[in-house]
Amino acid sequence: QTVVTQEPSFSVSPGGTVTLTCGLSSGSVSTGYYPSWYQQTPGQAPRTLIYTTNTRSSGVPDRFSGSILGNKAALTITGAQADDESDYYCVLYMGGGISVFGTGTKVTVL
Amino acid sequence: QVQLQESGPGLVKSSETLSLTCTVSGDSFSSYFWSWIRQPTEKGLEWIGRVYPSGSANYNPSLKSRVTMSVDTSKTQFSLKVTSVTAADTAMYYCARVGFGSVWDHFDYWGQGILVTVSP
Repeated sequence: QTVVTQEPSFSVSPGGTVTLTCGLSSGSVSTGYYPSWYQQTPGQAPRTLIYTTNTRSSGVPDRFSGSILGNKAALTITGAQADDESDYYCVLYMGGGISVFGTGTKVTVL
Repeated sequence: QVQLQESGPGLVKSSETLSLTCTVSGDSFSSYFWSWIRQPTEKGLEWIGRVYPSGSANYNPSLKSRVTMSVDTSKTQFSLKVTSVTAADTAMYYCARVGFGSVWDHFDYWGQGILVTVSP
């Protein structure tokens, strides 16, 4: 059973920078897992931020960026704003039509 | 603009079958994969599976024995059935379009979700 791990929570100051990561319970995340990232606020459907590691979805501010850092996928928020306070999920594509969501990270801006 | 809308019963009895439909408007239905994703209250997102308009489908291995997805291209709808439901299947259910990056690898449009509760 593949487990995709994320930090449970992060706190960032307004204007600050935070990097969330997305790892595998066994093995390394590479571009070949085509990581994508989603933002979800309470009571709302998820919103797509990043796909194929580092491509921003239409309308997503450039303060959101995706990358591979070491053996994990990463989402960096540069210049955090109050409305970035949300849950963030990564997805890894495992091949064969199978996708797996990460455990999610709750980001607080204060 | 692509729009997705989930529909179906909000209450299902334990051991029965959960059935949901997603109606798609505004895009080329036949050219994309379509997915179901669920989220128990206060918990994380779980990918259930995806289906292509040809009927070809892939499922989460942990749910595969109970899940079936199908497509009605004439109505631009796709459906989800989960058999033998238990309280663990109580969740918000989302339908989503699978987008093409380098492969069919992410979800680019989402429905608003439908809450399904499994009763004893």
